[in-house]
Amino acid sequence: ETGVTQTPRHLVMGMTNKKSLKCEQHLGHNAMYWYKQSAKKPLELMFVYNFKEQTENNSVPSRFSPECPNSSHLFLHLHTLQPEDSALYLCASSQRTHSYEQYFGPGTRLTVT
Amino acid sequence: AQKVTQAQTEISVVEKEDVTLDCVYETRDTTYYLFWYKQPPSGELVFLIRRNSFDEQNEISGRYSWNFQKSTSSFNFTITASQVVDSAVYFCALSDLMAGGFKTIFGAGTRLFVKA
Repeated sequence: ETGVTQTPRHLVMGMTNKKSLKCEQHLGHNAMYWYKQSAKKPLELMFVYNFKEQTENNSVPSRFSPECPNSSHLFLHLHTLQPEDSALYLCASSQRTHSYEQYFGPGTRLTVT
Repeated sequence: AQKVTQAQTEISVVEKEDVTLDCVYETRDTTYYLFWYKQPPSGELVFLIRRNSFDEQNEISGRYSWNFQKSTSSFNFTITASQVVDSAVYFCALSDLMAGGFKTIFGAGTRLFVKA
């Protein structure tokens, strides 16, 4: 089992749809992250969870809603997205937050039509 | 304020050439961590190295080496005898202690093309 898995790998959704991205880590880590990577911007940190508690929300619009039921699973619930939300969404985990190296999943390529 | 600058947007080399990717950082903290990640075309970022601010020893791992110089706030990455499989986007990242805990920012990345 690879370290960090993400599903789905590709997602096309309309602006009125609701969908969820899933991330699972098999590394025994305590921190998990969501990042957005778009063509014209550096990697943007969206949310950080440490021991299931959200510790950071970097001014992310409310149409993105994270959920972390346990230290191994992380979800990103999406609703009423905009075309500019089309991007690669990457999940990562680390032993503890930030000062430790992060291990990334393969990402979900999201297209909003 | 935190800042990571990777001034080289794209680099193109021919196989077997050596190539250095530059990373310059800004931080007010004395305790911080620096990282390099590789993102191949498949999209998944791969961790390469972590260095803390108190360890200025250079490191070599196979064809990869890193030169950390606090005096110039740089953490450069050299690939020796580059190979086509080294083609990827490489990100430098900084994690330092902000109010509320450590925070990490990534540079914009350097896209490396290695031609056969």
